[in-house]
Order: sequence, then C-alpha cells, then structure tokens
Amino acid sequence: GNSVTQMEGPVTLSEEAFLTINCTYTATGYPSLFWYVQYPGEGLQLLLKATKADDKGSNKGFEATYRKETTSFHLEKGSVQVSDSAVYFCALSPSGGSNYKLTFGKGTLLTVNP
Amino acid sequence: NAGVTQTPKFQVLKTGQSMTLQCAQDMNHEYMSWYRQDPGMGLRLIHYSVGAGITDQGEVPNGYNVSRSTTEDFPLRLLSAAPSQTSVYFCASRGRGGEETQYFGPGTRLLVL
Repeated sequence: GNSVTQMEGPVTLSEEAFLTINCTYTATGYPSLFWYVQYPGEGLQLLLKATKADDKGSNKGFEATYRKETTSFHLEKGSVQVSDSAVYFCALSPSGGSNYKLTFGKGTLLTVNP
Repeated sequence: NAGVTQTPKFQVLKTGQSMTLQCAQDMNHEYMSWYRQDPGMGLRLIHYSVGAGITDQGEVPNGYNVSRSTTEDFPLRLLSAAPSQTSVYFCASRGRGGEETQYFGPGTRLLVL
C-alpha cells in the first residue's frame, strides 16, 4: 500500500536558519505530493503541492521538488521565522484520480526561536 | 464562504455513550472525508464520500458510521464510544477536478473517559 515517511521531530531552529524536513514515499504510479501545515489549535492548511515528477511546489518561501528517482519530496526554507512554528505533514494521493484519499506522514513539529 | 465547519470543538464522553460529530461545507464539493489525528500517527482516513448517498470505508472505519444525505453535510457517528476513540477529528472536502485541493475543518477534540 501507499506510505509516507517523514523526518521525525521535534525540530528546533533559530530565526533565519535554514530548514529541511525530509519526506519519502512509497506508492505505485505517479502520486500527487503535498505538504500541509498545522498551526497551534488550527486545522490543516495546504502549504504546497506537486503533481508530477520534477515539479517544484512553492509557497510562503517554502519549496519542495517531486523527485521520482529518489521517491522524495523534501521541504525547504532558506530563512525561517518564528511564525513558521507549526506541525508539518507530508502527504500523497494516489495516481488515477482518487486523490480525495490522502495518506499522511506522522508530522514534524517545528519550533523557531527568536 | 465559511469553508468547512465542524461542531462541536470539544466534547467529553463516557464509555458507551453515542454522539455525532457534525461537518458541513459551503463550497459545493463532491468529496468529503473524515480523518482522525493521534500523536505520532499523523492523520488516518476513517470514512469518505464521493457524493450524496455514496460513502465508503477508509483505513480505520471500525466504531464509526457515516451518511451523506446532502452535498453539504457529512456527519460522523460514534454509536458506543470507547477510550481508543479519544482523538482529534478532522473533516475535509474537495471538488471533483483532478487537481483540486482538500480543505480541512478546524477539528473536533474528543475525550472518551
């Protein structure tokens, strides 16, 4: 079946540090890949997505590139802010159009200190 | 648009009690889903619906029932609550298009004693 493995946290960084959160997946075909963010006390929000190999998703300074050869979708940001403190989830939806069923990683808690 | 709304925000139940978690969306989305979030487990799919009158099981359906009588509403029922159902529950919806985004509600925190 499909699965997502992401870097376990928690991750603690100082403001303006570089961020990488690793995500790898197992799936047949060409799934769509997502990063969701959950701020304290809130629901999940889509941060970025990529739907085919070599696509780069980007939003709010975050980027992730869909690497088919390494089955990876690592999240990066060049300079984090305190407001980026949240839980980040990598997720996939299967190829073939049934992408209302998401498979999530376990989440990575990021804390950014001033 | 209010997006995806969920009620209640927080609920305490005793073992064996029943309750319904409400979910509604005003975006005319065909697809709706229920997930539960547990520490260290990420989100897991409970049930989903591809349209009014059509539901199916997800990864962890046991102990939960759903129905979809309208496009807007997708309630989740716990018939006899168990402590293992203590969790945060999220409802999500998306449109029919191939690259549509899933939108999540704010969640319901459930504690079963």
